[in-house]
Amino acid sequence: GENVEQHPSTLSVQEGDSAVIKCTYSDSASNYFPWYKQELGKGPQLIIDIRSNVGEKKDQRIAVTLNKTAKHFSLHITETQPEDSAVYFCAASINNDMRFGAGTRLTVKP
Amino acid sequence: DAGVIQSPRHEVTEMGQEVTLRCKPISGHNSLFWYRQTMMRGLELLIYFNNNVPIDDSGMPEDRFSAKMPNASFSTLKIQPSEPRDSAVYFCASSLAGGNTEAFFGQGTRLTVV
Repeated sequence: GENVEQHPSTLSVQEGDSAVIKCTYSDSASNYFPWYKQELGKGPQLIIDIRSNVGEKKDQRIAVTLNKTAKHFSLHITETQPEDSAVYFCAASINNDMRFGAGTRLTVKP
Repeated sequence: DAGVIQSPRHEVTEMGQEVTLRCKPISGHNSLFWYRQTMMRGLELLIYFNNNVPIDDSGMPEDRFSAKMPNASFSTLKIQPSEPRDSAVYFCASSLAGGNTEAFFGQGTRLTVV
C-alpha cells in the first residue's frame, strides 16, 4: 500500500518567516494530495490540496508544490502568524485509500 | 450541515469491556472513513466504506475491532474486548466521493482503556 513520509516532525519559526514541510510518497499511482491542519482537540481540517495533473497551487499565504517524478510534495506557508501554530498532515490518495504522513508540529513564535 | 458528528467525545472504560463509537457523516456524502490517532503511530486508516459497503478493512488491527454502516447516515466502530493499547483518539471522516475529494473529519472520540 501507499507509504507517506513527512519531514520535519517539529518546526519552529519566528512570526513573519516562512515554513516549509516536505512529504514523499511511494505509489506513483497516487493522484490526490491534500494537506490538513489539526488544532488542539479538533479533527484535521483541509487547508489546500493538489491533484497529480497540477504542479503548483497557491491560496493566499499557502502554496503546495508537487513533483511527480520524484514523488514528493511540499507545503509552503509564508508570512507565518501565531495562529498558524498547529499540527500539519500531508496525505496521498489512490482510489479511495488516503494515507497520512506522521505530521509536523509547527510553532510560530511571536 | 452540522458536519461529521461523533459520539461520545470521551470514553473511559475498563479492560475487557465492549466499546462502541458512533458516527453520523455529512448528509449526501458517499464515503466514510475511520481513523485512529496515537502519538506513536499518527493517523492510521482503519476502514472505509463506499455507499455503505466496506471497501478495505486491512487497517483494522485485530478481530476485536469491527465496523458497520447500516445506512448512509450512521456508522459504528466496535471494540470487543477492549485493551489498554486501544487507547487513542478515533476519528470518523466523510467525503463526497472517496479518498480523492476533501475528507471532513469529526471532532473525534478520545478512548481511554484502563
